[in-house]
Amino acid sequence: DTGVSQDPRHKITKRGQNVTFRCDPISEHNRLYWYRQTLGQGPEFLTYFQNEAQLEKSRLLSDRFSAERPKGSFSTLEIQRTEQGDSAMYLCASSTEDRPLYGYTFGSGTRLTVV
Amino acid sequence: RKEVEQDPGPFNVPEGATVAFNCTYSNSASQSFFWYRQDCRKEPKLLMSVYSSGNEDGRFTAQLNRASQYISLLIRDSKLSDSATYLCVVNMRAGNNRKLIWGLGTSLAVNP
Repeated sequence: DTGVSQDPRHKITKRGQNVTFRCDPISEHNRLYWYRQTLGQGPEFLTYFQNEAQLEKSRLLSDRFSAERPKGSFSTLEIQRTEQGDSAMYLCASSTEDRPLYGYTFGSGTRLTVV
Repeated sequence: RKEVEQDPGPFNVPEGATVAFNCTYSNSASQSFFWYRQDCRKEPKLLMSVYSSGNEDGRFTAQLNRASQYISLLIRDSKLSDSATYLCVVNMRAGNNRKLIWGLGTSLAVNP
């Protein structure tokens, strides 16, 4: 499979617990993005990496959120002390820097439900 | 004003109809443009990039008007399988970085 993989597909957690999601981008893609999407809304940008460097973080990304891409390959997104408002689909996308006209490839997402 | 605006719809059309969606963007520095399709509870998938000269892919035609800062998507001979949400996406340069700005999407329902 040469697409973007995300794990898990679904996560149900109790409020206050920590969760971690993983994204494996397309192997030759050096850029990796995290987005969040709630029902009826377009994807909201959270953060992005070029190789292992985190180049931009949205103001939406509170201190409870942290993302890493330690070796410039897969990435993790951790949410600490989850709140009900964190319930959303978390989407990962990847692209190559030199192909901005070709858009991004998204993974299937991780649907988080905080109860 | 939102950076990317779309009519949320829903658009309800019969099979075989032609339907058009418009999208406006506010930042004249926007560099590239896309239409994505998203099915319910699925991830967005790239439908078409939008070029200044306009481009066509089968039943789908995309147009860009930089002077008026809008892009359009035309679907001819609608199929039931075209029912989805269509997201307008603008790629902007912000400093040394590029970022995608997403519209909220336009919902299309094609009815038998």
